[in-house]
Amino acid sequence: NAGVTQTPKFRVLKTGQSMTLLCAQDMNHEYMYWYRQDPGMGLRLIHYSVGEGTTAKGEVPDGYNVSRLKKQNFLLGLESAAPSQTSVYFCASRRPSGSSYNEQFFGPGTRLTVL
Amino acid sequence: DAKTTQPNSMESNEEEPVHLPCNHSTISGTDYIHWYRQLPSQGPEYVIHGLTSNVNNRMASLAIAEDRKSSTLILHRATLRDAAVYYCILRPLNDYKLSFGAGTTVTVRA
Repeated sequence: NAGVTQTPKFRVLKTGQSMTLLCAQDMNHEYMYWYRQDPGMGLRLIHYSVGEGTTAKGEVPDGYNVSRLKKQNFLLGLESAAPSQTSVYFCASRRPSGSSYNEQFFGPGTRLTVL
Repeated sequence: DAKTTQPNSMESNEEEPVHLPCNHSTISGTDYIHWYRQLPSQGPEYVIHGLTSNVNNRMASLAIAEDRKSSTLILHRATLRDAAVYYCILRPLNDYKLSFGAGTTVTVRA
């Protein structure tokens, strides 16, 4: 049981380049989330999904797009990267009900630098 | 949304208890109190949550004030592995999301 995994772990982009971050979970969770964390700050929610085929905006959605084509995967896309998007990105998942449903499970993070 | 207030940092000695305060004076009756922690270079991990009553689990205890305007996370015997940023978060009933503040950075001295 791998839990929540994120690919890649590190990435350096040039301004204007695009990329996709992949989050995968093997716990059959309905809810999935993408956060970003800037140095010395708490996490801020970018987008989230409450089920396959659904997505919704979080606190800081501008400059990002997401897709949830399969229940176990949640993709975060940057169409035209900017230096302000340099951050550590965390994915999380959660079940909607049942035991431990209040608990979000987080991945190890992706460290992205935009030059 | 109701907000939480936590001290920026706290220090503790190894094997001593740590009491982490959290103020949430604007909490509503259906807001859950969650605690997460983030070890260095890792993603956050769930610690404990509660609504009205005090809660215990293998990691910590959560003491909730009778008026629910404050709560305290208690680590009974701090170890070096407990050095982390601890986040106190209010989650409204039926809200899917968590809102993280800056948290409290806990340092444990050997």
